[in-house]
Amino acid sequence: NAGVTQTPKFQVLKTGQSMTLQCAQDMNHNSMYWYRQDPGMGLRLIYYSASEGTTDKGEVPNGYNVSRLNKREFSLRLESAAPSQTSVYFCASSWGLSSTGKNTEAFFGQGTRLTVV
Amino acid sequence: AQSVTQLDSQVPVFEEAPVELRCNYSSSVSVYLFWYVQYPNQGLQLLLKYLSGSTLVESINGFEAEFNKSQTSFHLRKPSVHISDTAEYFCAVSATGFQKLVFGTGTRLLVSP
Repeated sequence: NAGVTQTPKFQVLKTGQSMTLQCAQDMNHNSMYWYRQDPGMGLRLIYYSASEGTTDKGEVPNGYNVSRLNKREFSLRLESAAPSQTSVYFCASSWGLSSTGKNTEAFFGQGTRLTVV
Repeated sequence: AQSVTQLDSQVPVFEEAPVELRCNYSSSVSVYLFWYVQYPNQGLQLLLKYLSGSTLVESINGFEAEFNKSQTSFHLRKPSVHISDTAEYFCAVSATGFQKLVFGTGTRLLVSP
């Protein structure tokens, strides 16, 4: 029962390099999310995908792009990495829209620790 | 839009003492409320949630939280903490309907012998 799987777990990039963070979930969830975690700032939403085929900006989208490849996979791309993007990145998934409130929690991956030098 | 305030960035406490981690939220619509826990070098795990009904919700490991609509609070409490409770705790809110979570800045609970 894998849940949400993120790759890689660690990455060091040089300023200006590009990379893609991969995320896959096996819970048949509709919605997927990318957050970044920085000390003293909690988790901030970068992008989310409410359902397959849709993506929307979150609180801090600048410098990132996303692709909802299919229902299972949601990738985050850094086109030209900057030191300010040094962070821990978390992917999450949930059922999404629910009028009853059931099954509302998000499930998180183990995170990707990214350092940009 | 929703927002969450966790005023305490760090709470030191001795083992077997009670603890309260504070969370206040702001929203113009009805909300769901959550507490997540993050152990060192791990992802976030759901600790407990308030959706509707009883305002007091409990987790399997002895934590509880009470939804107070008039004070817009969802404080987390435990009557007796263990060393293993050392972790970072995040309060989160989502508007009813689409569950896009908004997180607070987190409270680090440090339990010492």
